[in-house]
Amino acid sequence: DAGVTQSPTHLIKTRGQQVTLRCSPKSGHDTVSWYQQALGQGPQFIFQYYEEEERQRGNFPDRFSGHQFPNYSSELNVNALLLGDSALYLCASSLSSSGGTTDTQYFGPGTRLTVL
Amino acid sequence: AQSVTQPDIHITVSEGASLELRCNYSYGATPYLFWYVQSPGQGLQLLLKYFSGDTLVQGIKGFEAEFKRSQSSFNLRKPSVHWSDAAEYFCAVGARSGSQGNLIFGKGTKLSVKP
Repeated sequence: DAGVTQSPTHLIKTRGQQVTLRCSPKSGHDTVSWYQQALGQGPQFIFQYYEEEERQRGNFPDRFSGHQFPNYSSELNVNALLLGDSALYLCASSLSSSGGTTDTQYFGPGTRLTVL
Repeated sequence: AQSVTQPDIHITVSEGASLELRCNYSYGATPYLFWYVQSPGQGLQLLLKYFSGDTLVQGIKGFEAEFKRSQSSFNLRKPSVHWSDAAEYFCAVGARSGSQGNLIFGKGTKLSVKP
């Protein structure tokens, strides 16, 4: 049973560029959440997708956008990259039952984004 | 505002010694509580979770945590640490109400294990 997978593993971009990160959820899961983990910090919630809609969003600017596909996989897009966007981006998947936090989230290994 | 505090940035224990990692939360009601572990180059792995019921929760890899409402704490414990436990540990809270799926994490505690 494949867990959560993310691609690419590492990525280097320059300021002002755009980036797309990809996530495939654990088999049977229908909900994908994205988190940003800066160096030395805990993960911070970006947004969550369910039924191809953004269900909830954290305190991140509109430069951060996402998409969920019919097969439940998801993309995170970041436009106009800033140096401060350098971080590990984690994807987590879950199976929505109550739609709340009781849906245990399983995390992928992350994508390390470096902005120069 | 909801928050999670992990007071210890870095802890070093000897192999075979007991371990306690502290976690305090600030929340308007009883939240859902989680402990995750992150090894270098790895994603987060769920160790255990508390939703309701017995306040002492057993997890994987021999870990347990105790929810203390009066102290707003959810400390993680292990009676005997193994070298493979060296990693970073994150405490997280989640909201009970509405369709809120996001987790709020602490800044983490890095555990080093001495041989």
